[in-house]
Amino acid sequence: EVQLVESGGGLIQPGGSLRLSCAASGLTVSTNQMIWVRHAPGKGLEWVSLISIPGTTYYADSVKGRFTISRDNSKNTVFLQMSALRAEDTAVYYCARAFGGSYYIDYWGQGNMVTVSP
Amino acid sequence: SYVLTQSPSVSVAPGKTARITCGGHIIGSKSVHWYQQKAGQAPVLVIHYDTDRPSGIPERFSGSNSGNMATLTIDRVEAGDEADYYCQVWDSSSDVVFGGGTKLTVL
Repeated sequence: EVQLVESGGGLIQPGGSLRLSCAASGLTVSTNQMIWVRHAPGKGLEWVSLISIPGTTYYADSVKGRFTISRDNSKNTVFLQMSALRAEDTAVYYCARAFGGSYYIDYWGQGNMVTVSP
Repeated sequence: SYVLTQSPSVSVAPGKTARITCGGHIIGSKSVHWYQQKAGQAPVLVIHYDTDRPSGIPERFSGSNSGNMATLTIDRVEAGDEADYYCQVWDSSSDVVFGGGTKLTVL
C-alpha cells in the first residue's frame, strides 16, 4: 500500500521560511515523478512543483525563485523548501505521485496546512 | 499559459445524470484527468486519459474529450457524489494545469 505522509507545516510570518517533508512508503521516490499541489481556502487546486525521475525540477510561476523541491533517496522522502512566504501561500499542501507523460496524480498524501500570517 | 475553464457549480437531483464540463483550447488533443475532492479530504482520481476509470471507481463515472470541451459524466447521482470536481491536463508551456473546479450539489 502506498502512503505519503507530509509534515512540517504550521504558522509562519510573512517573509519566513518553512520546509515541508513527504515521507513515502510503498513507492520509491527516486523512480517516480513527485509533485506538490496546494489548495488555498476557498480556491481551487494549484500545482506548485514537480521533480522528475532524473531529478529535473519544475515550478509554477507563482512560486518560482522562492520554493525548491528536492528529494533524499536514502530516506525515500521529498521536500519542499519554501522561502519569502506570502499570505497568498496559505494553503493545504499535498504531496503526491504524478504518473505518465500527462502527469495524472494517483496517490495523494493527507495534506499539511501552511498558514502565513503576522 | 494554458487555461481550463469549468462552471463553478452544477446541481442535480438524486438518480439523475450530472455533466461537468472543462473547456480549453483544442483540449481534445490533450489527455484530461478528473479528480473528486470532498470537504476536508485529499482529492481522488476518478478518470484518467479522458475515459479510463481507476480501480475502485464506480462505472457510473465516465469521461469524454473532443474539440474544445472535456466532460465528466456521473450517472445515477448519489448523495455521496457531492464534492468539488477538477479537470487537469499537462501543457508544454504551463506544465500541470488544473481547472478552477466545479461544485456538484445533490438536491
